[in-house]
Amino acid sequence: EPEVTQTPSHQVTQMGQEVILRCVPISNHLYFYWYRQILGQKVEFLVSFYNNEISEKSEIFDDQFSVERPDGSNFTLKIRSTKLEDSAMYFCASSEAYSGARPYEQYFGPGTRLTVT
Amino acid sequence: LAKTTQPISMDSYEGQEVNITCSHNNIATNDYITWYQQFPSQGPRFIIQGYKTKVTNEVASLFIPADRKSSTLSLPRVSLSDTAVYYCLVGANNNDMRFGAGTRLTVKP
Repeated sequence: EPEVTQTPSHQVTQMGQEVILRCVPISNHLYFYWYRQILGQKVEFLVSFYNNEISEKSEIFDDQFSVERPDGSNFTLKIRSTKLEDSAMYFCASSEAYSGARPYEQYFGPGTRLTVT
Repeated sequence: LAKTTQPISMDSYEGQEVNITCSHNNIATNDYITWYQQFPSQGPRFIIQGYKTKVTNEVASLFIPADRKSSTLSLPRVSLSDTAVYYCLVGANNNDMRFGAGTRLTVKP
């Protein structure tokens, strides 16, 4: 069964450093997402991406964050200057299509645990 | 965005049927109801989706009354491996849906 993969599984960085989290969505999927989950809390939507541009973003996704699809397979989340409160599990997801008719099943990756010290 | 309310936690025993109810009083005409499951340290996983009446797949059933202001996820004969957090999401497309706090289901032997 195809799956979403994420690297690294765990990233430790110092406050103020830039990090790039990488994701390989399922190959025929067209919509990509990033979520984060602070330990013990709910899954929070960050951004959705379609056709090489941001489709929707939450209030969490400020100027410190950016997303990119640098080639045909990878989807990245960059945090420019990490803060302690950015420590969380970051999940990438992809879905087959986007349609006004109904939500499509999102396939989530295993996550990258980001620890900011 | 439709707001959802679920019980924070539920306990059950192996072999029992578990029903988790989600309230979504302000559901819109075009909204669907989607349930995800999340195990510790893993990403959420799609379980089932419906618009009205009843939907069944190999994992669960979803019951939606005529007014669609609530829905019930039914897990038949749960096992220890069904211990997880279950999320009810309501929305018309993937950009509309947001995860709430979910229901933490604990299945005991």
